[in-house]
Amino acid sequence: AQSVTQLGSHVSVSEGALVLLRCNYSSSVPPYLFWYVQYPNQGLQLLLKYTSAATLVKGINGFEAEFKKSETSFHLTKPSAHMSDAAEYFCAVSGESGYSTLTFGKGTMLLVSP
Amino acid sequence: DTEVTQTPKHLVMGMTNKKSLKCEQHMGHRAMYWYKQKAKKPPELMFVYSYEKLSINESVPSRFSPECPNSSLLNLHLHALQPEDSALYLCASSHDRAPQFFGPGTRLTVL
Repeated sequence: AQSVTQLGSHVSVSEGALVLLRCNYSSSVPPYLFWYVQYPNQGLQLLLKYTSAATLVKGINGFEAEFKKSETSFHLTKPSAHMSDAAEYFCAVSGESGYSTLTFGKGTMLLVSP
Repeated sequence: DTEVTQTPKHLVMGMTNKKSLKCEQHMGHRAMYWYKQKAKKPPELMFVYSYEKLSINESVPSRFSPECPNSSLLNLHLHALQPEDSALYLCASSHDRAPQFFGPGTRLTVL
């Protein structure tokens, strides 16, 4: 079975500071991993995905994530936070029956202060 | 056009009503999804359609009935719902096997 743990239900940063959102996964098969963002009162948007190619994955809006098998981690980073980055972020891992059956983490709310 | 549209945005229904949620995309995506999201929780997969055929049903109660009339449209028919079914219902689409674009959702309230 697959599972995802997102450390910290809320993360606060100042504008211009580094953003680091943590995600650790458990998977019985080589995983596919995803980060999604959800702005208030909107649906989710795929930020980036890891599908066993390059371990450093670049996504939209300046975000990137690094797959570290030894640490079972897929942390999301952005060098400089912007006010518009304030949103809920979900990490997800693929299920055994193919990656339509994603298992989501509980989400991390990113708060950005001026 | 990289948009998934959903109608209605809000829906209030009684437990004896029949209603439908609609989802549309014109990106040529062959996979379409229905998710349910409760407040402050991650989305939960309900159904996946691949090439207009139902490929995944995550043990959803029969009071939820999906339909895919063509490659651009996805419906979710609702009947005899319970108050605990109140949630945000999200539609998504993708060209491969992970949801890429989500609609804004329909916020459903069952009285």
